[in-house]
Amino acid sequence: DVKVTQSSRYLVKRTGEKVFLECVQDMDHENMFWYRQDPGLGLRLIYFSYDVKMKEKGDIPEGYSVSREKKERFSLILESASTNQTSMYLCASSFGTSGTNTGELFFGEGSRLTVL
Amino acid sequence: KNEVEQSPQNLTAQEGEFITINCSYSVGISALHWLQQHPGGGIVSLFMLSSGKKKHGRLIATINIQEKHSSLHITASHPRDSAVYICAVSPDSNYQLIWGAGTKLIIKP
Repeated sequence: DVKVTQSSRYLVKRTGEKVFLECVQDMDHENMFWYRQDPGLGLRLIYFSYDVKMKEKGDIPEGYSVSREKKERFSLILESASTNQTSMYLCASSFGTSGTNTGELFFGEGSRLTVL
Repeated sequence: KNEVEQSPQNLTAQEGEFITINCSYSVGISALHWLQQHPGGGIVSLFMLSSGKKKHGRLIATINIQEKHSSLHITASHPRDSAVYICAVSPDSNYQLIWGAGTKLIIKP
């Protein structure tokens, strides 16, 4: 079975702290995504990566950065957490070529971050 | 106008009923995805389709590319089908999915 594993299901951090959210997939997928999900707003794309060391901004990249040093791992970094970053963070991966999204999506279980 | 529209937004039905959720889109696509999210749970891909019809168990998904419309059907619905069902499309030559707002389905025993 394809597996997308997110490092933490629940985190509580303080304003100004640096936060790392890690995501690992085991299907050799090219594409990896970080979304946040908020009530009434649905899924919003933060960053996308279609290859190692490649990244593209999504709809709401402000306050976030990402790292993809290995194909299977995609990390989301909040350099200085703020209360408005309290949310559910979802990682996903899919097969794709040349920056396209041609494959079925596989999601992790999500990381619920609370920033106090 | 949203590029992906789902209807209905909310649906409550009795166990055993036949359920239909609709998704209309306005862009050219390479694929359409149906996904499911249970309360407090992660998101699971149900179908990815670019033409015709697919069936998994009691779930059936159809797509009409000319009409830019897809439907998700659930036969013999069960309370465990209660979830949010989300439609998303993969636009041509673009990695960014466009997401529908989701349909919240409640199946009462």
